[in-house]
Amino acid sequence: AQSVTQPDIHITVSEGASLELRCNYSYGATPYLFWYVQSPGQGLQLLLKYFSGDTLVQGIKGFEAEFKRSQSSFNLRKPSVHWSDAAEYFCAVGDYKLSFGAGTTVTVRA
Amino acid sequence: DTAVSQTPKYLVTQMGNDKSIKCEQNLGHDTMYWYKQDSKKFLKIMFSYNNKELIINETVPNRFSPKSPDKAHLNLHINSLELGDSAVYFCASSPMTSQAYNEQFFGPGTRLTVL
Repeated sequence: AQSVTQPDIHITVSEGASLELRCNYSYGATPYLFWYVQSPGQGLQLLLKYFSGDTLVQGIKGFEAEFKRSQSSFNLRKPSVHWSDAAEYFCAVGDYKLSFGAGTTVTVRA
Repeated sequence: DTAVSQTPKYLVTQMGNDKSIKCEQNLGHDTMYWYKQDSKKFLKIMFSYNNKELIINETVPNRFSPKSPDKAHLNLHINSLELGDSAVYFCASSPMTSQAYNEQFFGPGTRLTVL
């Protein structure tokens, strides 16, 4: 069975500081991994995805994620956070059927 | 242009009523989905249709019935609404290609409140 764990429920970060969100997955084959962002009252927007190839993937809004098969992880990073990055972040795994993690709420303080 | 749209955005209703949520996508995708996001923001797939054919049917009460009149539309009808049905319902779509993975595009969500 496929599943995703996001260990951090809530992270608070200062504007301009770096951000890392953790994601661990369980999947029977080559994983297809995604990070989505949900701003308050909005739908989900895809930040980036990993299917194969280079294990460091670049996404929109300055985000990147690194796939580490040995650790079953797909952590999301941003070097310098902006106030507009305050949102809910979801990691997901799967092919046509996605399983989502419980999400990490990111608060940005001035 | 809105890629995946849902109506209504908000729906407030009484227990026992029947209601529908509509979803339309103009991306030309073959596959559409319904997800439920509960109060703890946990997101779980409910149904998926590919070219009007049901391909995913998770453990969902049979009070929920999806209907796909064509591949651009996937509606969700809910009978005899219960308090526990209160949630945000998201529609999504994706292309069905020969590859195993498909990026899903989400609608803005419908917040259903059952009183």
